[in-house]
Amino acid sequence: AQSVTQLDSHVSVSEGTPVLLRCNYSSSYSPSLFWYVQHPNKGLQLLLKYTSAATLVKGINGFEAEFKKSETSFHLTKPSAHMSDAAEYFCVVDSSGTYKYIFGTGTRLKVLA
Amino acid sequence: DAGVTQSPTHLIKTRGQQVTLRCSPKSGHDTVSWYQQALGQGPQFIFQYYEEEERQRGNFPDRFSGHQFPNYSSELNVNALLLGDSALYLCASSSIWDRTYEQYFGPGTRLTVT
Repeated sequence: AQSVTQLDSHVSVSEGTPVLLRCNYSSSYSPSLFWYVQHPNKGLQLLLKYTSAATLVKGINGFEAEFKKSETSFHLTKPSAHMSDAAEYFCVVDSSGTYKYIFGTGTRLKVLA
Repeated sequence: DAGVTQSPTHLIKTRGQQVTLRCSPKSGHDTVSWYQQALGQGPQFIFQYYEEEERQRGNFPDRFSGHQFPNYSSELNVNALLLGDSALYLCASSSIWDRTYEQYFGPGTRLTVT
């Protein structure tokens, strides 16, 4: 069985400070892992993905994530938060390669001025 | 190139009624998946269609059914609506031949059951 745990339901950071959103996964197979962002009343946008290539993955808008198999983690980071980063972030796993995504419960990121 | 489109944007129905939601996939995509996102939750996989057949299904009752047409567009039908069916319904498309493992999501249909 596969599952995703997002360890924080809410994260608040000040503008210009680093962002860390934590994600742990459970998978029987080598998974594909994704981070998606959802702004209010908007659709889901792919930030980045890991599909068994480089373990450090760079995405859009300065975000990156590191796949750590030994820790079953795929944490999302950004060196400097911007007000426009305030949104809901979802960690996603697809273990079967069949596009059946399993989503975490989400982390709401708040950026303080 | 239009991305994934869904209609309608919003819908209000009464308990016990039936509803049909529609999705057009991104050009070149042949696989459509449907997800339900309840308020404050992550999306949950309902089912997936490829070649006009249901390819895989999540843990949803038979009241949820779907269809895929020859042009790859898809419908989600929900019968005997319950208050708990109120949610954002997301459609995602992909290509079974594209090994990027990426799905493209539509903006969703907000269903409210009263």
